[in-house]
Amino acid sequence: DVKVTQSSRYLVKRTGEKVFLECVQDMDHENMFWYRQDPGLGLRLIYFSYDVKMKEKGDIPEGYSVSREKKERFSLILESASTNQTSMYLCASSYRTGSNEKLFFGSGTQLSVL
Amino acid sequence: LAKTTQPISMDSYEGQEVNITCSHNNIATNDYITWYQQFPSQGPRFIIQGYKTKVTNEVASLFIPADRKSSTLSLPRVSLSDTAVYYCLVGLLSGGYNKLIFGAGTRLAVHP
Repeated sequence: DVKVTQSSRYLVKRTGEKVFLECVQDMDHENMFWYRQDPGLGLRLIYFSYDVKMKEKGDIPEGYSVSREKKERFSLILESASTNQTSMYLCASSYRTGSNEKLFFGSGTQLSVL
Repeated sequence: LAKTTQPISMDSYEGQEVNITCSHNNIATNDYITWYQQFPSQGPRFIIQGYKTKVTNEVASLFIPADRKSSTLSLPRVSLSDTAVYYCLVGLLSGGYNKLIFGAGTRLAVHP
């Protein structure tokens, strides 16, 4: 089975802190994604990456950056955390055949910014 | 930018068949339609995927009409453990990459 591991289930940070959310996948997938999930808003795409050292903005990239130095690892960075970034963060990896793509998600990191 | 539209919530009872419809008016010719299930405090997990007509697996069926502007997830004989949020996902090729857009999801509650 594909395993997508997020480093923390729960995280509490203070406003202005730099926050790193780590995600590792073990299936040699090319593609990795970061979503955030908020009540009533569903999943929203923050950033995605289709190759090492490559990144593309999703729908809500403001306030975030990412790093993909190795194929299996995709990090989400909050340069200066703010309270409106309190959310559930979900990492996913996928393989793609043409436009047919299947996502595998981690268990999520619930981030609280105080 | 195309998006998907689903009912916000549905209620059912154990043993009934549940059908959840998703609208995706701007689906592109090569896009697939995928459904995911999410339980509280977990990431979504894949249920079923299809391109046209009908797809069936051990969990669900997916019906896609000829115009592909909508799709229906069918869960036969639901149980309490099927209570979850169900997401419809359409793959959108944007700039050569799949920009995967989730709908708001349908919260299904199965009652005894």
